[in-house]
Amino acid sequence: GENVEQHPSTLSVQEGDSAVIKCTYSDSASNYFPWYKQELGKGPQLIIDIRSNVGEKKDQRIAVTLNKTAKHFSLHITETQPEDSAVYFCAAIPLGSWGKLQFGAGTQVVVTP
Amino acid sequence: GAGVSQSPSNKVTEKGKDVELRCDPISGHTALYWYRQRLGQGLEFLIYFQGNSAPDKSGLPSDRFSAERTGESVSTLTIQRTQQEDSAVYLCASSLGGGGGSKTQYFGPGTRLLVL
Repeated sequence: GENVEQHPSTLSVQEGDSAVIKCTYSDSASNYFPWYKQELGKGPQLIIDIRSNVGEKKDQRIAVTLNKTAKHFSLHITETQPEDSAVYFCAAIPLGSWGKLQFGAGTQVVVTP
Repeated sequence: GAGVSQSPSNKVTEKGKDVELRCDPISGHTALYWYRQRLGQGLEFLIYFQGNSAPDKSGLPSDRFSAERTGESVSTLTIQRTQQEDSAVYLCASSLGGGGGSKTQYFGPGTRLLVL
């Protein structure tokens, strides 16, 4: 089955700096890669996703890149703000598998003013 | 519109008791998922319902765990004879699902279960 590894486990950044979280996956058939943000006491919220036919996707200060050959994808947050502080999860799902999102272990991001 | 809702938001129970957790998916979403999140950890898939198809139960950790879904609406996750290791946040998600449908899963706020 799919295995997703996520690094780093914690990330501290100064407000205004960029944050990068990296994930690798094992199943080359995976074709959908969402990123979720989870604030304390809340459920995960989708912030951006990318499909395997696209190499990069941006949404304001957030971008995701995908390298299918290397089987890794990354989340980039630019101009970080204190409200970006949260736990971020990457996930992957293989082609033909509608359930079973395989999640990474999460990255605790702390943005200090 | 309304998102995924779950109840109760918190549940404290004694070891050995049964608990029932409820999930109301987004209207029109044919796919429904349950995940477990232990403290400080990632999400662990439990079970997945898609329309009238047989559910994918491959993530249920033991036969004490079961789930039902009525049509394309409410789902209940039941844990029988609860153990302390069952303490976790139980998250429900739904998606449009189906062939050609969106895979995007929308999560509810979770039920925080504490087994004493």
